[in-house]
Amino acid sequence: QVQLVQSGSELKKPGASVKVSCKASGYTFTNYAMNWVRQAPGQGLEWMGWINTKSGNPTYAQGFTGRFVFSFSFDTSVTTAYLQISSLKAEDTAVYYCARGRSNYDFWTGYYVDAFDIWGQGTMVAVSS
Amino acid sequence: SSDVTQDPVVSVALGQTVRITCQGDSLRSYYASWYQQKPGQAPVLVIFGKNSRPSGIPDRFSGSSSGNTASLTITGAQAEDEADYYCNSRDSTGDHRVFGGGTKLTVL
Repeated sequence: QVQLVQSGSELKKPGASVKVSCKASGYTFTNYAMNWVRQAPGQGLEWMGWINTKSGNPTYAQGFTGRFVFSFSFDTSVTTAYLQISSLKAEDTAVYYCARGRSNYDFWTGYYVDAFDIWGQGTMVAVSS
Repeated sequence: SSDVTQDPVVSVALGQTVRITCQGDSLRSYYASWYQQKPGQAPVLVIFGKNSRPSGIPDRFSGSSSGNTASLTITGAQAEDEADYYCNSRDSTGDHRVFGGGTKLTVL
């Protein structure tokens, strides 16, 4: 079946880096974008951005630039996407989700039909000294 | 701040109909998608596009849109529908996605 399986929880010290993996199976990896979503404890969902798994081009959410150093990558040979976060701070403590993105243009309405249709189970990253 | 906004809390009596809304200027140009999240679980897509449901989502969930407002309607709410619901759409540039702040639905 189609699924995304993420790596396990991480406990990091401030200033450290972490790399979260997201293993895709059950579909052609390069046919869909991969999105990353953050959820701080008790808070809502925040879209971090996405990576085009055909071209490798990443798009990062504007609200994260400046205070948050992260990057997206993937390895098609193992159908796995990665989120790397550097210079971790306590406020980066959150659950990080990967989510498969689909986007189709509806010619009848002239609208794009977007959705995050498959989600990983989430990876908890805790930052504490 | 969010480009799309939701009411933080909504309640509904068991078996009744409830509408959860999402407002934002970008919704005049882009569809919203809706996600259900229960405590300790990953979000699940429930509605996307004009009014499409993924396989396995009950038909009591439906979506609609008018002007700058997208709506998720649950017709005959069940106890298991108690959850947080998030809308997502493109922002005004069309290049980025944005989530609403979420609506906590309580089924009484």
